[in-house]
Amino acid sequence: GAVVSQHPSWVICKSGTSVKIECRSLDFQATTMFWYRQFPKQSLMLMATSNEGSKATYEQGVEKDKFLINHASLTLSTLTVTSAHPEDSSFYICSASGTGGVTEAFFGQGTRLTVV
Amino acid sequence: GQNIDQPTEMTATEGAIVQINCTYQTSGFNGLFWYQQHAGEAPTFLSYNVLDGLEEKGRFSSFLSRSKGYSYLLLKELQMKDSASYLCAVKDSNYQLIWGAGTKLIIKP
Repeated sequence: GAVVSQHPSWVICKSGTSVKIECRSLDFQATTMFWYRQFPKQSLMLMATSNEGSKATYEQGVEKDKFLINHASLTLSTLTVTSAHPEDSSFYICSASGTGGVTEAFFGQGTRLTVV
Repeated sequence: GQNIDQPTEMTATEGAIVQINCTYQTSGFNGLFWYQQHAGEAPTFLSYNVLDGLEEKGRFSSFLSRSKGYSYLLLKELQMKDSASYLCAVKDSNYQLIWGAGTKLIIKP
């Protein structure tokens, strides 16, 4: 199946700093990428949807100035958590879907963010 | 609003069979997915149903009834490694995945 690589797999940062998470589709062109957040024992929560070359669409309640998403190419999307706070600590997962009748979403490995 | 319901937790015995149910109410329907998620890892795709009926794939089968807004995932010959959360997700009319909260499956020897 298609491969989506997410990096880093875990990161610890100080409160007030910014963290960038990368999501790459390795063997297909991802026209759409999704960013999710998952708190312990809770379901995946969609944060935003990004289409290559256009602005991301954010879900209600997600601050677009805090969670910057860039989808500059068909194989790379980035999520930057700006001015991180301890409450931003979570498991962030990207998924990608492409063209050519790909039905399921392929997930990256996830990034465990801890803000101290 | 959109809603997907599945049991929070289930327990089963190694070698047995377990059925995990999922009911949904969404704005439109473009397919139902089952994913497996081990703790601290990303979900992995198990099955996809868009038409009514049973899809069988090895030890795992998934059933869909669109008129009832109902699906189940059937796991046979349970193994300890099957201990995980099982997520039901539906693609709505905008092709967005709407996720259930997941069912934590505990396998006992």
